[in-house]
Formats: sequence, structure tokens, C-alpha cells
Amino acid sequence: GAVVSQHPSWVICKSGTSVKIECRSLDFQATTMFWYRQFPKQSLMLMATSNEGSKATYEQGVEKDKFLINHASLTLSTLTVTSAHPEDSSFYICSARSLAGDLNTGELFFGEGSRLTVL
Amino acid sequence: GENVEQHPSTLSVQEGDSAVIKCTYSDSASNYFPWYKQELGKGPQLIIDIRSNVGEKKDQRIAVTLNKTAKHFSLHITETQPEDSAVYFCAAPGGFKTIFGAGTRLFVKA
Repeated sequence: GAVVSQHPSWVICKSGTSVKIECRSLDFQATTMFWYRQFPKQSLMLMATSNEGSKATYEQGVEKDKFLINHASLTLSTLTVTSAHPEDSSFYICSARSLAGDLNTGELFFGEGSRLTVL
Repeated sequence: GENVEQHPSTLSVQEGDSAVIKCTYSDSASNYFPWYKQELGKGPQLIIDIRSNVGEKKDQRIAVTLNKTAKHFSLHITETQPEDSAVYFCAAPGGFKTIFGAGTRLFVKA
């Protein structure tokens, strides 16, 4: 199957600093990538939809200035948590939909996730 | 919009027994239903999916059934093994997005 690589897998940072997480589709092109946040023992919460070459679409309640998303190419999307605070500590996961995939199938390929801990 | 409900939230079975997880959806136009397995500290992995033109799909010990009339679909795992222990999510398309169920934590006791 298609491979999505996410980096770093874990990161610890000080409060007030910014952290960037990368999501790469390794063997396919992805026009659309999604960023999720997952709290312990909960489901995936969609944060934003990232479209190559255009601005991301954020879900209600997600601060776009706090969580900067850039999708500069068909294989790379980045999520930057700006001025991180302890409440931003969470598991962040990206997913990508193949160019060839039917937009209605919901066929997604997930990254391994990035655990962010803000001290 | 699409709404997906998943039950049970926790399921404990003895090794070798079967496990069944059920999901219901609300949008009758939905046509694709994937199941994901998430192990601790990892991202979800697609384990099986079904499209609306079939009623059942099987892949070794895993099967998914779909009832379009009742708008529900189920994951069946037979001959469960300890390595099947994980969180399982069902999903359905919600327009451009994918709507996930709340997840089922499966424990397989050796």
C-alpha cells in the first residue's frame, strides 16, 4: 500500500517555542492531506484539510494562526505549532489521499503520528 | 452531514474467540466504509474496506459486512490472537472528509 511518512515521531519542546511536523507521501502524489489531533483514549479529531498550492481549510475551533499548515508540493505538508503551550501536548497524525483515489471513497493513508510534549 | 456511531467502546475476548465491532452511519449516499487498526503510539492502518456494491468482504481472519438498508457495517475478527489487541476505528466519507467512529479498544486475553 501507499506509504506516508511523518517526522518527527516525537518531540519535546519548551513553552513558547514553535515546532514543525512534516508529512510526506513517499510513493504517490497527494493533492489533499489531513491533519488530526488525538487525545488519549479518544478518536481522531480533524484539525484541517491541506490542499496543495492553496490555503488550508480549518475545522471550527482550530486556530489557524496557532497551527500553521503549508502544502507546498504534492508530496509534502507541514504543520507548525506556534508558541506552543503545555495544552498543545498531544498526538498529531497526518493522512494523505492519493491523486488517483476516488474523492468519495475516503481512501486514506496515515502517517505514524508525532507525539508533542510541551514543557 | 455524516454521523458514525461505533459500539462497543471496549471489547475483551479470549484468544481464539471471535470479535465483532459494529458501526452505524447516517448518510445513505455513503459508498465506502474502511476499518482502521491503531496500535499504541502509532498511526491508524487500513485493515479492510468495503464499497457499497457488495455486502461482505473477507481477508483471512478479518471480514466486513455491510447492510445498506439498515445503514450499518461490522468488523468480524475470527480466531483472535494477542496481537489483534488494539483500537479499531470505523469510518465513512463525509463529503471531502472522513468521519471516524469513536473507536473500540479490543483486548485479546491469552
